[in-house]
Amino acid sequence: DTGVSQDPRHKITKRGQNVTFRCDPISEHNRLYWYRQTLGQGPEFLTYFQNEAQLEKSRLLSDRFSAERPKGSFSTLEIQRTEQGDSAMYLCASSWASGSSYNEQFFGPGTRLTVL
Amino acid sequence: DQQVKQNSPSLSVQEGRISILNCDYTNSMFDYFLWYKKYPAEGPTFLISISSIKDKNEDGRFTVFLNKSAKHLSLHIVPSQPGDSAVYFCAAPRSNTGNQFYFGTGTSLTVIP
Repeated sequence: DTGVSQDPRHKITKRGQNVTFRCDPISEHNRLYWYRQTLGQGPEFLTYFQNEAQLEKSRLLSDRFSAERPKGSFSTLEIQRTEQGDSAMYLCASSWASGSSYNEQFFGPGTRLTVL
Repeated sequence: DQQVKQNSPSLSVQEGRISILNCDYTNSMFDYFLWYKKYPAEGPTFLISISSIKDKNEDGRFTVFLNKSAKHLSLHIVPSQPGDSAVYFCAAPRSNTGNQFYFGTGTSLTVIP
């Protein structure tokens, strides 16, 4: 399977704990995106990387959130001091793009986070 | 602010009939649109796209229509099949970067056998 993979698929944590999610993009893709989806909503953009550089962050990405993409391959999204409002599906996507061309983003299955 | 809107949360259609899913947008700078389909427990998968220089794009049973003056697009599925039952999202890239996609809230399509 050469699609986008995410780990874990489900995470249940207590409020105040830290959590980390991993995303492995399609290998030849240079761009990697993180989205958050809550019930009844569409995916909301959080941040994106081109290779290892984090080029854009949404205002939704508070100081408690940090994302990395070392070596331009896999990416991690860490949430510190989780709050109940962080409960959501966290989606990762990747694409191959150059310049500002519009390219299809391929999504992983998501990590569902529940904060108790 | 919701820049891409899908005002119908759900739609039910008989198998073999046409499904029409609608999407409205507010930002006149959007010049490219995509439709994604999402099954439960899976991530969204790309379905079809359209550039603003066109008013129609067709791919098999799926056709997307774009009305720029009305800031409206629609996805037609003909004929509808039970396997088409899923949540459909329309999306538009933010024009100045092309990377941040704005998604609508989705329409859940049920095709009744």
